Amino acid sequence: QKEVEQNSGPLSVPEGAIASLNCTYSDRGSQSFFWYRQYSGKSPELIMSIYSNGDKEDGRFTAQLNKASQYVSLLIRDSQPSDSATYLCAVTSWGISGNTPLVFGKGTRLSVIA
Amino acid sequence: GAGVSQSPSNKVTEKGKDVELRCDPISGHTALYWYRQRLGQGLEFLIYFQGNSAPDKSGLPSDRFSAERTGESVSTLTIQRTQQEDSAVYLCASSLGTGLYEQYFGPGTRLTVT
Repeated sequence: QKEVEQNSGPLSVPEGAIASLNCTYSDRGSQSFFWYRQYSGKSPELIMSIYSNGDKEDGRFTAQLNKASQYVSLLIRDSQPSDSATYLCAVTSWGISGNTPLVFGKGTRLSVIA
Repeated sequence: GAGVSQSPSNKVTEKGKDVELRCDPISGHTALYWYRQRLGQGLEFLIYFQGNSAPDKSGLPSDRFSAERTGESVSTLTIQRTQQEDSAVYLCASSLGTGLYEQYFGPGTRLTVT
């Protein structure tokens, strides 16, 4: 059973601070890692993807991957109240017929306090 | 360009009725996925189509659930003899397919079984 674990939160950070969201996964064969943001009542929105060990930066977002530790994280710099949402970690790997379905964590709820 | 579209956005049905949910993937995306999200829960994989390959139905919760896809375009998820536990948001996602490509979600269909 492939599992993705996230702290459910809520994680509360003050406006302007760095928010750090963490995720661990059980399948060592996982190859692609994604962070989605989901506002209440909305569908998940892709914000970052990462495929190799190390850091990947996109604006205020940095994804970090450590395959040896089976750990992926998302840093949000200069957090804004509009970043308040649930952040979903998702993992996939290469199957016989191509991309396998995403395995999602249950999400971490982030609250940015103005 | 246009994203993934789903219809209807909301569906209320009586227990025991059949429902059909529709998904239009992003043009050119060969892979299409259906997920379900119950209130306050994570996303669960239902079924996956990749090109002309046989669909991966491993996530379908019962034989009341089925899905079809016409070529590399529209998909329909059918739930027969709906039960109250089928109430959820049904999400469709698509990706370029072969390879570890990002999946993009539609807005979802909120199904309520009374």
